[in-house]
Amino acid sequence: EVQLVESGGGLVQPGRSLRLSCIGSGFTFSNYAINWVRQAPGKGLEWVAFVRSNSYGATTEYAASVIGRFIISRDDSKTIAYLQMNSLKTEDTAVYYCTRDPYDSSGAFDSWGRGTLVAVSS
Amino acid sequence: QLVLTQSPSASASLGASVKLTCSLTSTYSKYAIAWHQQKPQKGPRYLMKIDSDGSHAKGDGVSDRFSGSSSGAERYLIISSLQSGDEADYYCQTWGTDIRVFGGGTKLTVL
Repeated sequence: EVQLVESGGGLVQPGRSLRLSCIGSGFTFSNYAINWVRQAPGKGLEWVAFVRSNSYGATTEYAASVIGRFIISRDDSKTIAYLQMNSLKTEDTAVYYCTRDPYDSSGAFDSWGRGTLVAVSS
Repeated sequence: QLVLTQSPSASASLGASVKLTCSLTSTYSKYAIAWHQQKPQKGPRYLMKIDSDGSHAKGDGVSDRFSGSSSGAERYLIISSLQSGDEADYYCQTWGTDIRVFGGGTKLTVL
């Protein structure tokens, strides 16, 4: 069974940092791009970032709202992807989901984690 | 710019069918999309991918009551024999080589 499990969320003050983790299992983690998607309270889904597979140099892309503040990375030996969030703002408050996509053939998010809540508040 | 447009809300009666629409900007009319379902207080669930020719590939365990189609720059999610459990938010999603995009979502109410 394909599983993606997020962790690392919590309450953090504005301007501080937080690192989220996403552990994948039940599939060949290294073959997939890994994305982070967030959902602010009462709002829709917003794509945040993705990291391509090592076949594509594990290169990364970001939404304009997080460029320069967030860093996505992956460790295929541990089947983990990370989202390092720096200089956090109150508007970063959201549930953060980890998803995967095949990248080569499709960018469809065909599996989702359950999410981890990040609350940015003083 | 790659943008997906969805109506904010839709409603249909129990047992009826409903067709939800996701519109691509015309420049990207050949793009495939994916549909995701999000029930209240739950995480999203992948339903299916729809190509520009209307062919679709469903996720594991997705009911036969869910199907998809395409016309021009529009992509559709059709739900037949509506059940109360189908009440949810439905999001379409597409992608480019360096971006992923969501529509604003449609809140489906089953009457």
